[in-house]
Amino acid sequence: NAGVTQTPKFQVLKTGQSMTLQCAQDMNHEYMSWYRQDPGMGLRLIHYSVGAGITDQGEVPNGYNVSRSTTEDFPLRLLSAAPSQTSVYFCASSYDSSTDTQYFGPGTRLTVL
Amino acid sequence: AQTVTQSQPEMSVQEAETVTLSCTYDTSENNYYLFWYKQPPSRQMILVIRQEAYKQQNATENRFSVNFQKAAKSFSLKISDSQLGDTAMYFCAFMKTWEGGSEKLVFGKGMKLTVNP
Repeated sequence: NAGVTQTPKFQVLKTGQSMTLQCAQDMNHEYMSWYRQDPGMGLRLIHYSVGAGITDQGEVPNGYNVSRSTTEDFPLRLLSAAPSQTSVYFCASSYDSSTDTQYFGPGTRLTVL
Repeated sequence: AQTVTQSQPEMSVQEAETVTLSCTYDTSENNYYLFWYKQPPSRQMILVIRQEAYKQQNATENRFSVNFQKAAKSFSLKISDSQLGDTAMYFCAFMKTWEGGSEKLVFGKGMKLTVNP
């Protein structure tokens, strides 16, 4: 299986543009999450989902939307990109609760001009 | 709220030597999990080791072992026989346990380890 996949790997946006970061996993994991990684800040949780149809906010949810219509997919939407959203974004999944080992995707480097 | 602190931003070690990475955390919880993740230049986050707080025995995974001091809220990672491939950012992370729901992983800011030949 492919594990956790993320697309695109790199993206450059202009301020105000919208886009969706894709995340998919083929391990039948219930728990999925999105993090952003900024220099000197570690990883911070944006949104997470404990199963299809259920999402919740993390530490830094503003400016981002998520949905979980299927177990496999957990897209992250930026409605109106801002330079402060320039970051590396990681999607992660685990089998059940988030206390299980989390598997991370390869990341998406996003630059907002 | 839980916090995780990695006080050493950067370390270097010679190949084949042993190095210890420090991590402290703050929580009022009694049951929780602690993790060390590795992020090589490829940016992929890789789980190195996991420790359940209720277990007194320190977790070990091949060349990686932890020194878990619950009372001191300390969770250090020891890497034995360091290899060039160990060069990476290392993140300590905390998660409290909660039956019937899920909890959030809280990361430290990371520490850059360089293994020199």
